Amino acid sequence: NAGVMQNPRHLVRRRGQEARLRCSPMKGHSHVYWYRQLPEEGLKFMVYLQKENIIDESGMPKERFSAEFPKEGPSILRIQQVVRGDSAAYFCASSPQAANTEAFFGQGTRLTVV
Amino acid sequence: QQPVQSPQAVILREGEDAVINCSSSKALYSVHWYRQKHGEAPVFLMILLKGGEQKGHEKISASFNEKKQQSSLYLTASQLSYSGTYFCGTEEYGNKLVFGAGTILRVKS
Repeated sequence: NAGVMQNPRHLVRRRGQEARLRCSPMKGHSHVYWYRQLPEEGLKFMVYLQKENIIDESGMPKERFSAEFPKEGPSILRIQQVVRGDSAAYFCASSPQAANTEAFFGQGTRLTVV
Repeated sequence: QQPVQSPQAVILREGEDAVINCSSSKALYSVHWYRQKHGEAPVFLMILLKGGEQKGHEKISASFNEKKQQSSLYLTASQLSYSGTYFCGTEEYGNKLVFGAGTILRVKS
């Protein structure tokens, strides 16, 4: 059973470009969380999704950021018109249900905006 | 909504014990503990559910006091491999998993 897979592991984008980060949850997991982590800082909650639904996006900036988790395929975190301040590690975690169970993290995507 | 962790950092010598605390202002359904090493993904340690249970994982154990909305992680006879940043995550039923700012633990030989 493969773990949570994120790709790419490293992504470099110029200011103004779009960044697409992918997260394939563990088999049987229908809940996905996205977090952003700046160097030497904590895990900042961004969005919580179930298959085809956004449950809580209170941690995501209102502009330029969007997330989806389609019925088929990976969850996507999309950042439009990236700025230098978007540079960070983005982690996703998956769990089989909403509560009461452990969530497992992927290896993260390190986004660098130049 | 973010849980509060204390201390922010702790330095130990091998074999010493440490306690990391996590508290929330909200009623909790569960508390999760993770350890992250530099440049790596957070690794799941354990989950504690409502009921004030205590769990153990090798020489690392934790307790959860749901009335006080607090959890503590206990590391006994620390080893060099315990070094890293420890995060507690709190979850309200059916809701998002939110993490504290982390506690940096450094074990010296």
